[in-house]
Amino acid sequence: GENVEQHPSTLSVQEGDSAVIKCTYSDSASNYFPWYKQELGKRPQLIIDIRSNVGEKKDQRIAVTLNKTAKHFSLHITETQPEDSAVYFCAANYGGATNKLIFGTGTLLAVQP
Amino acid sequence: DARVTQTPRHKVTEMGQEVTMRCQPILGHNTVFWYRQTMMQGLELLAYFRNRAPLDDSGMPKDRFSAEMPDATLATLKIQPSEPRDSAVYFCASGFMTGGFNYGYTFGSGTRLTVV
Repeated sequence: GENVEQHPSTLSVQEGDSAVIKCTYSDSASNYFPWYKQELGKRPQLIIDIRSNVGEKKDQRIAVTLNKTAKHFSLHITETQPEDSAVYFCAANYGGATNKLIFGTGTLLAVQP
Repeated sequence: DARVTQTPRHKVTEMGQEVTMRCQPILGHNTVFWYRQTMMQGLELLAYFRNRAPLDDSGMPKDRFSAEMPDATLATLKIQPSEPRDSAVYFCASGFMTGGFNYGYTFGSGTRLTVV
């Protein structure tokens, strides 16, 4: 089916530690994998994305890795800060020519000061 | 920064009433999505359009929901009649896609719908 599995559903870390969120998808044709951050009461905002022609992408403290063979991709946040606390969603495109974006169920990240 | 504009921001209505939500995508974007967000279901895809043509509305309850894109600057999502279980935040997102290549999608601020 067209779904994206995301784990864990909640994650609590100490400030300065790293956080890792993992997602899996089922369509080998998927080629676009964005990550969104949603703060309470606000809209999801794109923080990083990766395409299937690369295995890793970094932007300051955040990085995303992609394993096409295993159909896994992960978000890594290093040196976490309290302002990183939010819900994070992964997504993958499905459907060939229709190319719709399906989201994971979200991970609530709490960074404890 | 370019923004996706959604109206209204909040809507409280009585069960059985018609509700219309509007979305103005970012100028130049050719793809528009409608998502519904509840605590239990995360971000649920309802419908989407590319170059104003509807591509997929399989996630939308057809008996009461309808989505249209009358022109490139306006997408609408209508519920008639509304029910309490429709209470949720409805997000519109727009982006650009060509040749199978996605350029990222921007969300609007959402419409928080409460049906009493």
